[in-house]
Amino acid sequence: AQKITQTQPGMFVQEKEAVTLDCTYDTSDPSYGLFWYKQPSSGEMIFLIYQGSYDQQNATEGRYSLNFQKARKSANLVISASQLGDSAMYFCAMREIMNTGNQFYFGTGTSLTVIP
Amino acid sequence: KAGVTQTPRYLIKTRGQQVTLSCSPISGHRSVSWYQQTPGQGLQFLFEYFSETQRNKGNFPGRFSGRQFSNSRSEMNVSTLELGDSALYLCASSLSVSQETQYFGPGTRLLVL
Repeated sequence: AQKITQTQPGMFVQEKEAVTLDCTYDTSDPSYGLFWYKQPSSGEMIFLIYQGSYDQQNATEGRYSLNFQKARKSANLVISASQLGDSAMYFCAMREIMNTGNQFYFGTGTSLTVIP
Repeated sequence: KAGVTQTPRYLIKTRGQQVTLSCSPISGHRSVSWYQQTPGQGLQFLFEYFSETQRNKGNFPGRFSGRQFSNSRSEMNVSTLELGDSALYLCASSLSVSQETQYFGPGTRLLVL
């Protein structure tokens, strides 16, 4: 089974509108971290937001918020007031915390295009 | 504070050669992880280092190796290069090995001919 599933290969959103990028994860470990990264065409991975498995509140970072539904193993990214510069690939990732070290898993990504 | 730096940024090699990539983490960060990104396989975890020790390794052949120095800088080596090793290699650093955020470098684009 896939550890991280992103079911939307491509998304379009009108400038200034909000958009939700879906992410579901699969783990049996109680301790894990969830991340969202943005990758523009330049290739650099830009950290957006982080949610720990024990965090009670949904994470927020400026225009980014993470809709964390632990029972459903869902960690959707919400971008409010989309801007043209938000056009990029977005990756959901999970970090499993293990005694032997960490394992990292990335989804296949969602390509977001913001339309003027 | 300077971000994660990776050198070189671009590299062209031929099959059978070996290559060494370098990563300097953010100052104070002691954990370094490496990833391979290809169009076909996406982002795959290679290994993680902390305090000069490899903590974990992804599912890659032994041709892929790495190390971390006392100043937390890390190197990744690929021996006997294959065409399929052509990829963007990303390095990420974090303060420690708990749940802290990872910050990525710009990557090294390797082309194997």
